[in-house]
Amino acid sequence: ELKVEQNPLFLSMQEGKNYTIYCNYSTTSDRLYWYRQDPGKSLESLFVLLSNGAVKQEGRLMASLDTKARLSTLHITAAVHDLSATYFCAVDSTQGGSEKLVFGKGTKLTVNP
Amino acid sequence: NAGVTQTPKFQVLKTGQSMTLQCAQDMNHNSMYWYRQDPGMGLRLIYYSASEGTTDKGEVPNGYNVSRLNKREFSLRLESAAPSQTSVYFCASSEARWWRGVVLSGNTIYFGEGSWLTVV
Repeated sequence: ELKVEQNPLFLSMQEGKNYTIYCNYSTTSDRLYWYRQDPGKSLESLFVLLSNGAVKQEGRLMASLDTKARLSTLHITAAVHDLSATYFCAVDSTQGGSEKLVFGKGTKLTVNP
Repeated sequence: NAGVTQTPKFQVLKTGQSMTLQCAQDMNHNSMYWYRQDPGMGLRLIYYSASEGTTDKGEVPNGYNVSRLNKREFSLRLESAAPSQTSVYFCASSEARWWRGVVLSGNTIYFGEGSWLTVV
C-alpha cells in the first residue's frame, strides 16, 4: 500500500527566508505532483514531476524528485506572504490503467511579514 | 472554460437522509474521481472511474455509491448519511493515456471547487 508522508505539517516562516518541504513515499512511482490549496478553495496544480532527477521551477517555488530515495522536495526561496497556503504532494498509484493519487496530509505554510 | 463543475457547493443533511453530489467535466477526460478531505487527513479517494461504464473502490468507499452516467458525468451518492460523512468532497478528472495496462505518461488531475457537506 502506497503511503505518502510530508513534513513538516505546519511551517511558519518570515518573509525573505528560504525553506524546504519534504515528501517521502513508500513504493516505487515515477510520478509525483505538488498542489496548492488556499483556505476554502480547491486544489491548484503546481508541478508534475515525471522522472528521476526532474526539477521544475515556478517563481519562488522549485520542486525536485529523487525516485531512488523516494523523495521529493518543494523549496521556497525568499518567501512572500502570497505563498501562505497548504501544500500537498501526491504520488500516483496506477491500477488497471487509471491513475489514483495518494496524497500526503499537507503542509500548512504561513509566511509572516 | 468550466473545467470540473460540482454541485451543490454546500449542503446540510440529517442523519439517515440521502443525497447525490453531481460532477461534470468538459475536458473530454477518461478518468474521474471522488475524494473527501478532512482536517489533518489530506485527500482520500472514495471511488474512481477509469472510463465510461467502469467504477472502482478507492481508499474509503463505505457508505457511498457512484455512477458514471456518461463520459462527462460522475455522481456520488450517500444512501443514508452519517455524521462521519461530514466532510469536503472534491470531484476530479484526468486524461490518463495508457497502453496494455501501463500508464504511458503522467498528467494533471483537475479538481472541482468542492462541496461542503454537514450531516447533523
